[in-house]
Amino acid sequence: NAGVTQTPKFQVLKTGQSMTLQCAQDMNHEYMSWYRQDPGMGLRLIHYSVGAGITDQGEVPNGYNVSRSTTEDFPLRLLSAAPSQTSVYFCASSPRPQLAGVREQYFGPGTRLTVT
Amino acid sequence: AQSVAQPEDQVNVAEGNPLTVKCTYSVSGNPYLFWYVQYPNRGLQFLLKYITGDNLVKGSYGFEAEFNKSQTSFHLKKPSALVSDSALYFCAVRDRGSGTYKYIFGTGTRLKVLA
Repeated sequence: NAGVTQTPKFQVLKTGQSMTLQCAQDMNHEYMSWYRQDPGMGLRLIHYSVGAGITDQGEVPNGYNVSRSTTEDFPLRLLSAAPSQTSVYFCASSPRPQLAGVREQYFGPGTRLTVT
Repeated sequence: AQSVAQPEDQVNVAEGNPLTVKCTYSVSGNPYLFWYVQYPNRGLQFLLKYITGDNLVKGSYGFEAEFNKSQTSFHLKKPSALVSDSALYFCAVRDRGSGTYKYIFGTGTRLKVLA
């Protein structure tokens, strides 16, 4: 299994440009999330999905869109990039627990985005 | 509001000594609790989690964590630190009662193990 893959690894955008960060997992996990990591702020949840066709907002959703048309893919779209969106973005997935409880998240390697 | 605090930005410990990385949380009800580790230029890796039961949870690479409900803490520990343990450590919580999938992460603690 490749696990969770993210593309691109690095990206530089100009203010106002749009782009899509790709995330894919081959573990048939129902749950997927997008986080951004900023110095001194830890990871903050942008959007998440509990299954194909179902998405919801996290802590910092403004300026980002997501969709989940398949179990495997969960792209993150930046509509009009701003310097405040300069960050490292991580995608994560986890399986639905079979019984009561919770399963851990599996993280991708990240995308480092710079907006000038 | 729910929150997670990791009060130390950095912890230095000599190789072979015990280490503790602190985490406290403020979440209504009984949360799920996690520790993750991040090595340079990598994604986060799962170390351990607390769901219920024994307050001492054992995880990967010899790490363990102690859940203390009265102090709302979930400190990460290891009896004997290795230089290879040097990394960024994150505590995370998820409210089990809300029915959502929202995780809250702490700001991270950089562990430096000195040879």
